[in-house]
Amino acid sequence: TQLLEQSPQFLSIQEGENLTVYCNSSSVFSSLQWYRQEPGEGPVLLVTVVTGGEVKKLKRLTFQFGDARKDSSLHITAAQPGDTGLYLCAGRAGAGSYQLTFGKGTKLSVIP
Amino acid sequence: DTAVSQTPKYLVTQMGNDKSIKCEQNLGHDTMYWYKQDSKKFLKIMFSYNNKELIINETVPNRFSPKSPDKAHLNLHINSLELGDSAVYFCASSQVGGGPQHFGDGTRLSIL
Repeated sequence: TQLLEQSPQFLSIQEGENLTVYCNSSSVFSSLQWYRQEPGEGPVLLVTVVTGGEVKKLKRLTFQFGDARKDSSLHITAAQPGDTGLYLCAGRAGAGSYQLTFGKGTKLSVIP
Repeated sequence: DTAVSQTPKYLVTQMGNDKSIKCEQNLGHDTMYWYKQDSKKFLKIMFSYNNKELIINETVPNRFSPKSPDKAHLNLHINSLELGDSAVYFCASSQVGGGPQHFGDGTRLSIL
């Protein structure tokens, strides 16, 4: 069974600070997706990373896929209250796999 | 225009009852999923269908029976509800199996 460990589990920071959350596994994934979930809603896709070492930017969010495709990180610059939410990473085992394995999430609170 | 819609949003019922949750997607996707999110926010795959065909059936009690009348719909019927079934159930769809997923807003099931 492939597992994805996310850290930290909880993170509370002041508006304007920077932060990084991590998604680690001992397994290789063909791709990795990041989602943000707000209370009372379903997860919303932020980005998909496919190539080892790939870096993608989405405004103040920077996503990186590890060279070995076993881990990923999400860095947020100058966090804002609107960034508050549950951040989930999800790995796809193989290119033809129908299954995503989700991490348990990082709950981020940005305090104004 | 909602992409993935689930009904009902809230479901409160007694132990032992039978209930159904409906899901529809208007994205033209071939693959649909049911996930269960527990109180600790862990999102776990239950079922996946591709073009009305069952692809993934995780270790879920056989009281849970999915039905896909067409590729735009995936319903979930639950027999003899138990206390442990209390959770949020999410429907999702993707263009290809395991690809970026669009989630519904969830059905919050509470068993009394």
